[in-house]
Amino acid sequence: EAGVTQFPSHSVIEKGQTVTLRCDPISGHDNLYWYRRVMGKEIKFLLHFVKESKQDESGMPNNRFLAERTGGTYSTLKVQPAELEDSGVYFCASSQTAGGVYGYTFGSGTRLTVV
Amino acid sequence: AQSVTQPDIHITVSEGASLELRCNYSYGATPYLFWYVQSPGQGLQLLLKYFSGDTLVQGIKGFEAEFKRSQSSFNLRKPSVHWSDAAEYFCAVGVMDSSYKLIFGSGTRLLVRP
Repeated sequence: EAGVTQFPSHSVIEKGQTVTLRCDPISGHDNLYWYRRVMGKEIKFLLHFVKESKQDESGMPNNRFLAERTGGTYSTLKVQPAELEDSGVYFCASSQTAGGVYGYTFGSGTRLTVV
Repeated sequence: AQSVTQPDIHITVSEGASLELRCNYSYGATPYLFWYVQSPGQGLQLLLKYFSGDTLVQGIKGFEAEFKRSQSSFNLRKPSVHWSDAAEYFCAVGVMDSSYKLIFGSGTRLLVRP
């Protein structure tokens, strides 16, 4: 089966611009998660979708971040306007069960650099 | 508060030597514990997981980890390291609050000397 796919793999944008990251989960996985790693620190939870609904967005840093999941399939994470501190690696993951009992499958990440 | 500590930021070992990466967690309930690896240019790959039962769990690529409740630890081990094991390793605990999520440690970067 195809894994979790993320686009783009790298993005360099200027402060104040908008960037949209995309994640295609494994087909049939209702649960989709976004995580990010900033400045080599811990990988931190951003939010969790169950199908098209946001189950938990407690990790979203501020209202410059907007996540959507169209029709319960792929998801986008938009940062508008981007700030320097948004630089980092954004990971998407999907799982069959919400409890992640079988572990999540992560994508290879999008490295975002804001200059 | 839930947390995961990986005290070693970098570890260097010689190829063929044994490896132990440390992980300590803080979580009030019975933990679900994971080790992930990220090789250069790759995503996070699950190495192994612990939910219950036998405290010594086997994973892929010859890795194993031992859950020690009394020490709140879940250390990763490999008896003989290969050059291809050079990567960054992340320990994580699964927690349930608003939803189920993973709390990660800050990672340990493994360098392998030829």
